[in-house]
Amino acid sequence: SQQGEEDPQALSIQEGENATMNCSYKTSINNLQWYRQNSGRGLVHLILIRSNEREKHSGRLRVTLDTSKKSSSLLITASRAADTASYFCATGLKTSYDKVIFGPGTSLSVIP
Amino acid sequence: SAVISQKPSRDICQRGTSLTIQCQVDSQVTMMFWYRQQPGQSLTLIATANQGSEATYESGFVIDKFPISRPNLTFSTLTVSNMSPEDSSIYLCSVSLAGGRETQYFGPGTRLLVL
Repeated sequence: SQQGEEDPQALSIQEGENATMNCSYKTSINNLQWYRQNSGRGLVHLILIRSNEREKHSGRLRVTLDTSKKSSSLLITASRAADTASYFCATGLKTSYDKVIFGPGTSLSVIP
Repeated sequence: SAVISQKPSRDICQRGTSLTIQCQVDSQVTMMFWYRQQPGQSLTLIATANQGSEATYESGFVIDKFPISRPNLTFSTLTVSNMSPEDSSIYLCSVSLAGGRETQYFGPGTRLLVL
């Protein structure tokens, strides 16, 4: 069963704008991860944030985590056409050491 | 990190046949994972394949339909048996270097179309 829910399901923005995607989850987590998938290819790991962290940055990416609300957001600043992809959050559960559970994903289109 | 390759990259198969997908990693890893991604959907874990033990299947997936081999620390295969059009999906393998709930590295996927 899917632990995470993401919104929006689809997002279309102009190049240079910021894109924000949200992920909510249901049970206690050890970490939350964000992945990118281009055109049905393999996933690329973007960033991992642990349950005791509130914010993390990597280049143009900023991830926040609010464990009290069981939610996370991924912000991509100054978007580029190359950012067009599907973005998935995945949760590493506190009760399970051996897998992550993926959310349904957000499809991002960045229009040049 | 880890570099993963998969073969074949895509295939078109007839119903009732079987396809074996190979996953090769450039380093020795304990945990390998097989996922299915149906069209327009997210990833669903099929099974976890650890070297030296039987694969652990998730609810809804059975060994007779998706037999998995893990002969060594760099290689695994997933077979999709007795295929039907509902098996048309992207099949992805991944590895974790630090435990299954940590960062995973994915292969490019195998696109399967069953007619």
